[in-house]
Amino acid sequence: EIVLTQSPATLSLSPGERATLSCRASQSVSSYLAWYQQKPGQAPRLLIYDASNRATGIPARFSGSGSGTDFTLTISSLEPEDFAVYYCQQRSNWPPDTFGQGTKLEIK
Amino acid sequence: QITLKESGPTLVKPTQTLTLTCTFSGFSLSTSGVGVGWIRQPPGKALEWLALIYWNDDKRYSPSLKSRLTITKDTSKNQVVLTMTNMDPVDTATYYCAHWGSSGWADPWGQGTLVTVSS
Repeated sequence: EIVLTQSPATLSLSPGERATLSCRASQSVSSYLAWYQQKPGQAPRLLIYDASNRATGIPARFSGSGSGTDFTLTISSLEPEDFAVYYCQQRSNWPPDTFGQGTKLEIK
Repeated sequence: QITLKESGPTLVKPTQTLTLTCTFSGFSLSTSGVGVGWIRQPPGKALEWLALIYWNDDKRYSPSLKSRLTITKDTSKNQVVLTMTNMDPVDTATYYCAHWGSSGWADPWGQGTLVTVSS
Protein backbone atom coordinates (compact mmCIF):
# COMPACT_ATOMS: atom_id res chain seq x y z
CA GLU A 1 0.00 0.00 0.00
CA ILE A 2 1.33 3.43 -0.95
CA VAL A 3 1.69 5.85 1.94
CA LEU A 4 1.19 9.57 1.34
CA THR A 5 2.89 11.95 3.77
CA GLN A 6 1.68 15.54 3.84
CA SER A 7 3.63 18.47 5.22
CA PRO A 8 3.37 20.58 7.17
CA ALA A 9 0.63 19.25 9.43
CA THR A 10 -0.49 22.81 10.10
CA LEU A 11 0.27 25.93 8.10
CA SER A 12 -0.47 29.36 9.56
CA LEU A 13 -0.74 32.16 7.03
CA SER A 14 -2.58 35.42 6.46
CA PRO A 15 -5.05 36.27 3.69
CA GLY A 16 -3.20 37.41 0.59
CA GLU A 17 -0.17 35.24 1.29
CA ARG A 18 0.99 32.33 -0.85
CA ALA A 19 0.45 28.80 0.48
CA THR A 20 2.57 25.81 -0.49
CA LEU A 21 1.46 22.36 0.64
CA SER A 22 3.45 19.20 0.07
CA CYS A 23 2.52 15.56 -0.48
CA ARG A 24 5.16 12.85 -0.74
CA ALA A 25 4.43 9.27 -1.84
CA SER A 26 6.29 6.21 -0.54
CA GLN A 27 6.73 5.07 -4.14
CA SER A 28 6.03 6.57 -7.52
CA VAL A 29 2.40 7.31 -8.33
CA SER A 30 3.25 8.85 -11.71
CA SER A 31 0.70 11.70 -12.05
CA TYR A 32 -2.16 9.82 -10.38
CA LEU A 33 -2.57 12.27 -7.55
CA ALA A 34 -5.43 14.54 -6.51
CA TRP A 35 -5.99 17.27 -3.94
CA TYR A 36 -9.17 17.84 -1.95
CA GLN A 37 -10.32 20.68 0.29
CA GLN A 38 -12.46 19.99 3.35
CA LYS A 39 -14.12 22.64 5.48
CA PRO A 40 -15.54 21.89 8.94
CA GLY A 41 -18.76 19.90 8.76
CA GLN A 42 -18.54 19.53 4.98
CA ALA A 43 -17.60 16.80 2.55
CA PRO A 44 -14.28 17.03 0.73
CA ARG A 45 -14.25 18.85 -2.61
CA LEU A 46 -12.01 17.91 -5.51
CA LEU A 47 -9.58 20.71 -6.37
CA ILE A 48 -6.85 19.18 -8.53
CA TYR A 49 -6.67 15.84 -10.33
CA ASP A 50 -3.93 14.04 -12.23
CA ALA A 51 -1.44 16.24 -10.33
CA SER A 52 -2.06 19.48 -12.19
CA ASN A 53 -5.58 19.68 -13.63
CA ARG A 54 -8.06 21.96 -11.91
CA ALA A 55 -11.48 20.46 -11.36
CA THR A 56 -14.56 22.19 -12.71
CA GLY A 57 -15.26 25.49 -11.02
CA ILE A 58 -12.01 25.68 -9.08
CA PRO A 59 -10.44 29.16 -9.06
CA ALA A 60 -7.20 29.73 -10.90
CA ARG A 61 -5.38 30.62 -7.67
CA PHE A 62 -5.21 26.88 -6.97
CA SER A 63 -2.52 24.99 -8.85
CA GLY A 64 -0.89 21.59 -8.57
CA SER A 65 2.49 20.33 -9.67
CA GLY A 66 4.76 17.33 -9.40
CA SER A 67 5.07 13.77 -10.55
CA GLY A 68 6.51 10.54 -9.27
CA THR A 69 6.79 10.92 -5.49
CA ASP A 70 6.75 14.66 -4.80
CA PHE A 71 3.73 16.90 -5.29
CA THR A 72 2.77 20.44 -4.39
CA LEU A 73 -0.50 22.31 -4.05
CA THR A 74 -0.07 26.05 -4.34
CA ILE A 75 -2.62 28.70 -3.48
CA SER A 76 -1.25 31.89 -5.01
CA SER A 77 -3.05 34.43 -2.82
CA LEU A 78 -5.14 33.18 0.07
CA GLU A 79 -8.76 34.17 0.33
CA PRO A 80 -10.64 33.89 3.65
CA GLU A 81 -12.62 30.91 2.34
CA ASP A 82 -9.42 28.94 1.60
CA PHE A 83 -8.68 28.18 5.25
CA ALA A 84 -9.52 24.51 5.55
CA VAL A 85 -7.95 21.06 5.63
CA TYR A 86 -6.34 19.78 2.44
CA TYR A 87 -5.86 16.10 1.56
CA CYS A 88 -3.91 14.44 -1.21
CA GLN A 89 -5.00 11.09 -2.69
CA GLN A 90 -3.33 8.60 -5.02
CA ARG A 91 -4.82 5.99 -7.34
CA SER A 92 -1.69 4.70 -9.00
CA ASN A 93 -1.54 1.40 -7.15
CA TRP A 94 -5.09 0.54 -6.13
CA PRO A 95 -7.12 -0.73 -4.53
CA PRO A 96 -6.97 0.95 -2.25
CA ASP A 97 -6.77 4.54 -3.17
CA THR A 98 -4.92 6.10 -0.24
CA PHE A 99 -5.12 9.54 1.32
CA GLY A 100 -2.58 11.62 3.14
CA GLN A 101 -3.18 12.61 6.74
CA GLY A 102 -4.07 16.17 5.78
CA THR A 103 -2.66 19.69 6.14
CA LYS A 104 -4.65 22.20 8.14
CA LEU A 105 -4.38 25.69 6.70
CA GLU A 106 -5.23 28.15 9.44
CA ILE A 107 -5.43 31.90 9.70
CA LYS A 108 -2.39 33.49 11.31
CA GLN B 1 -26.16 18.72 -11.52
CA ILE B 2 -24.84 15.63 -9.79
CA THR B 3 -25.96 15.02 -6.23
CA LEU B 4 -25.54 12.09 -3.87
CA LYS B 5 -26.99 11.41 -0.45
CA GLU B 6 -26.15 8.72 2.06
CA SER B 7 -28.74 7.08 4.27
CA GLY B 8 -28.71 4.41 6.92
CA PRO B 9 -28.62 3.89 10.68
CA THR B 10 -26.85 6.41 12.88
CA LEU B 11 -26.19 3.86 15.62
CA VAL B 12 -25.25 0.20 15.33
CA LYS B 13 -24.15 -2.28 17.97
CA PRO B 14 -20.84 -4.12 17.92
CA THR B 15 -20.92 -7.28 15.77
CA GLN B 16 -23.93 -6.03 13.80
CA THR B 17 -23.97 -5.48 10.04
CA LEU B 18 -24.14 -1.94 8.70
CA THR B 19 -26.10 -1.24 5.53
CA LEU B 20 -25.72 2.16 3.89
CA THR B 21 -27.51 3.39 0.79
CA CYS B 22 -26.27 6.06 -1.58
CA THR B 23 -29.05 7.62 -3.64
CA PHE B 24 -27.88 9.78 -6.50
CA SER B 25 -29.16 11.94 -9.32
CA GLY B 26 -27.74 13.75 -12.32
CA PHE B 27 -25.99 10.74 -13.81
CA SER B 28 -26.59 7.11 -14.69
CA LEU B 29 -24.60 4.20 -13.36
CA SER B 30 -25.16 2.48 -16.68
CA THR B 31 -22.99 5.05 -18.48
CA SER B 32 -19.59 3.77 -19.52
CA GLY B 33 -16.77 4.85 -17.22
CA VAL B 34 -18.96 5.95 -14.32
CA GLY B 35 -18.57 4.64 -10.79
CA VAL B 36 -19.83 5.23 -7.26
CA GLY B 37 -17.62 4.66 -4.26
CA TRP B 38 -17.49 4.91 -0.49
CA ILE B 39 -14.98 6.68 1.75
CA ARG B 40 -15.10 7.08 5.53
CA GLN B 41 -13.62 9.48 8.06
CA PRO B 42 -13.39 8.77 11.79
CA PRO B 43 -14.02 11.86 13.92
CA GLY B 44 -11.04 14.20 13.70
CA LYS B 45 -9.08 11.81 11.51
CA ALA B 46 -8.13 11.34 7.87
CA LEU B 47 -10.06 9.83 4.99
CA GLU B 48 -10.11 6.11 4.22
CA TRP B 49 -11.17 4.68 0.86
CA LEU B 50 -13.47 1.68 1.18
CA ALA B 51 -14.99 0.43 -2.05
CA LEU B 52 -15.98 1.36 -5.60
CA ILE B 53 -18.42 -0.09 -8.14
CA TYR B 54 -18.36 0.71 -11.84
CA TRP B 55 -21.06 0.87 -14.49
CA ASN B 56 -20.08 -2.63 -15.69
CA ASP B 57 -20.42 -4.09 -12.17
CA ASP B 58 -16.64 -4.20 -11.69
CA LYS B 59 -16.10 -3.96 -7.93
CA ARG B 60 -13.00 -2.91 -6.01
CA TYR B 61 -12.46 -3.16 -2.25
CA SER B 62 -9.91 -1.95 0.26
CA PRO B 63 -7.73 -5.02 0.86
CA SER B 64 -7.74 -4.46 4.61
CA LEU B 65 -11.55 -4.49 4.77
CA LYS B 66 -12.41 -6.71 1.82
CA SER B 67 -13.66 -9.62 3.92
CA ARG B 68 -16.23 -7.36 5.59
CA LEU B 69 -17.47 -5.26 2.67
CA THR B 70 -19.99 -5.79 -0.10
CA ILE B 71 -20.93 -3.13 -2.64
CA THR B 72 -23.88 -3.48 -5.01
CA LYS B 73 -25.82 -1.26 -7.36
CA ASP B 74 -29.43 -0.88 -8.45
CA THR B 75 -29.26 1.10 -11.66
CA SER B 76 -33.03 1.42 -11.97
CA LYS B 77 -33.27 3.04 -8.55
CA ASN B 78 -30.07 5.12 -8.89
CA GLN B 79 -28.73 3.57 -5.71
CA VAL B 80 -25.55 1.96 -4.48
CA VAL B 81 -25.54 -0.07 -1.28
CA LEU B 82 -22.55 -0.78 0.97
CA THR B 83 -22.71 -3.44 3.65
CA MET B 84 -20.06 -3.85 6.33
CA THR B 85 -20.21 -6.84 8.63
CA ASN B 86 -19.01 -7.32 12.20
CA MET B 87 -19.03 -3.65 13.13
CA ASP B 88 -16.66 -2.47 15.88
CA PRO B 89 -16.37 0.83 17.76
CA VAL B 90 -13.30 1.66 15.64
CA ASP B 91 -15.64 1.75 12.63
CA THR B 92 -17.33 4.86 14.05
CA ALA B 93 -17.01 7.41 11.28
CA THR B 94 -18.73 9.65 8.79
CA TYR B 95 -19.38 7.56 5.69
CA TYR B 96 -19.38 9.35 2.34
CA CYS B 97 -20.39 8.17 -1.10
CA ALA B 98 -19.02 9.86 -4.19
CA HIS B 99 -19.31 9.87 -7.98
CA TRP B 100 -16.39 8.73 -10.09
CA GLY B 101 -16.63 10.17 -13.58
CA SER B 102 -14.53 11.23 -16.51
CA SER B 103 -11.76 12.67 -14.32
CA GLY B 104 -11.34 9.27 -12.64
CA TRP B 105 -11.58 10.82 -9.19
CA ALA B 106 -14.23 11.25 -6.50
CA ASP B 107 -16.25 14.25 -7.57
CA PRO B 108 -18.65 15.26 -6.15
CA TRP B 109 -19.26 13.74 -2.74
CA GLY B 110 -22.42 13.29 -0.73
CA GLN B 111 -22.86 15.17 2.52
CA GLY B 112 -21.90 12.11 4.57
CA THR B 113 -23.63 10.24 7.34
CA LEU B 114 -22.22 9.70 10.83
CA VAL B 115 -22.39 6.12 12.03
CA THR B 116 -21.63 5.40 15.68
CA VAL B 117 -20.82 1.88 16.84
CA SER B 118 -21.68 1.42 20.47
CA SER B 119 -23.50 -1.00 22.71
